[in-house]
Amino acid sequence: DTGVSQNPRHKITKRGQNVTFRCDPISEHNRLYWYRQTLGQGPEFLTYFQNEAQLEKSRLLSDRFSAERPKGSFSTLEIQRTEQGDSAMYLCASSPGTLNTGELFFGEGSRLTVL
Amino acid sequence: AQSVTQLDSHVSVSEGTPVLLRCNYSSSYSPSLFWYVQHPNKGLQLLLKYTSAATLVKGINGFEAEFKKSETSFHLTKPSAHMSDAAEYFCVVSAPTGAGSYQLTFGKGTKLSVIP
Repeated sequence: DTGVSQNPRHKITKRGQNVTFRCDPISEHNRLYWYRQTLGQGPEFLTYFQNEAQLEKSRLLSDRFSAERPKGSFSTLEIQRTEQGDSAMYLCASSPGTLNTGELFFGEGSRLTVL
Repeated sequence: AQSVTQLDSHVSVSEGTPVLLRCNYSSSYSPSLFWYVQHPNKGLQLLLKYTSAATLVKGINGFEAEFKKSETSFHLTKPSAHMSDAAEYFCVVSAPTGAGSYQLTFGKGTKLSVIP
């Protein structure tokens, strides 16, 4: 399968714990995005990478959230000191730099439940 | 600034009857518009896209949408619903940010139920 891969698919954690999600984009896609989707809502933008550079961050990305893309390939999203309000689906998407329409290719998401 | 309004949070149709999912948008730019579908516990799959070419856009699984600039609408239609169409559908408007990326704004989604 050459699509966007996300791990883990599901994570249940207790409030206050740290969690990390990983995203492997489609090979050679230099753009990578993280979105958050809560129940009954559409996805909301969190952050954007072009290669290894984090170029945009939403105000939704509080200080407890950090994202990296160290070699311009896979990316990680870490949430520290999780809160119940962090419970959501975290979606990763990628696109090639040659595509100038905004079309994104999404992974299946990582669902976080904070107890 | 841009925004998307999906006019129905839930649409229910009988199998074999037409589907209409409504979407209105606003954008400061000439936007690109998309419809994505999300099946339960799955990621988002692109159904179709409008990128300033033909205003009637055909997508996968028999879906199509018509871009109407005067009405700022991009409604999704299908002549005959199938049980497998039951899912959540998102209308999306996209515009470049100037930082080499695109800002995608999603509607809140329309849940489509198909009755046998």
